[in-house]
Amino acid sequence: DAGVIQSPRHEVTEMGQEVTLRCKPISGHDYLFWYRQTMMRGLELLIYFNNNVPIDDSGMPEDRFSAKMPNASFSTLKIQPSEPRDSAVYFCASSWSGEPDTQYFGPGTRLTVL
Amino acid sequence: SQKIEQNSEALNIQEGKTATLTCNYTNYSPAYLQWYRQDPGRGPVFLLLIRENEKEKRKERLKVTFDTTLKQSLFHITASQPADSATYLCALLMDSSYKLIFGSGTRLLVRP
Repeated sequence: DAGVIQSPRHEVTEMGQEVTLRCKPISGHDYLFWYRQTMMRGLELLIYFNNNVPIDDSGMPEDRFSAKMPNASFSTLKIQPSEPRDSAVYFCASSWSGEPDTQYFGPGTRLTVL
Repeated sequence: SQKIEQNSEALNIQEGKTATLTCNYTNYSPAYLQWYRQDPGRGPVFLLLIRENEKEKRKERLKVTFDTTLKQSLFHITASQPADSATYLCALLMDSSYKLIFGSGTRLLVRP
């Protein structure tokens, strides 16, 4: 199994630009989570999906952030417009309803907004 | 809101000794508590889960305890090795949702 795949691994952009982060969950997993990790705030849940439907987006910081899951094998997290304070490592994780307690994390995308 | 506290100072121990990391939480008890390992530049990796009605859980050299009275979990690594050096995160699940709340992590350094 390839595990959770995220792209790009690194993204450097300028303030005001649109950023799209991508995630491919583990095949067969029906839960997908987006997290953000910073030194100041640690690892925070932004949003999670079950069977491609957003269940809880209370962690999404503001309207500049949006997430979609058009199918079971792909999700995106979009920031528009990006700001320097969005700089962080963004992780995607997935889990399976038969073993919901265990989340499998991707390698993360390190985002730097200049 | 729920708060989780992990020792922000790094734990530095000698190889072969037992490492003990602490996770304290406030407010109401979680449904369960998890421990993850995170290496630099990588995502967290699940290690162990302990439920509110369990006192202790073991997996190879790892042991987790859960004291709902003290609102505390202890994570032990026995016979520690330099390869155990990493940051260890605790995470709480508060209810029937799958929403995990993570602590800030404790960095462990095992000296050869």
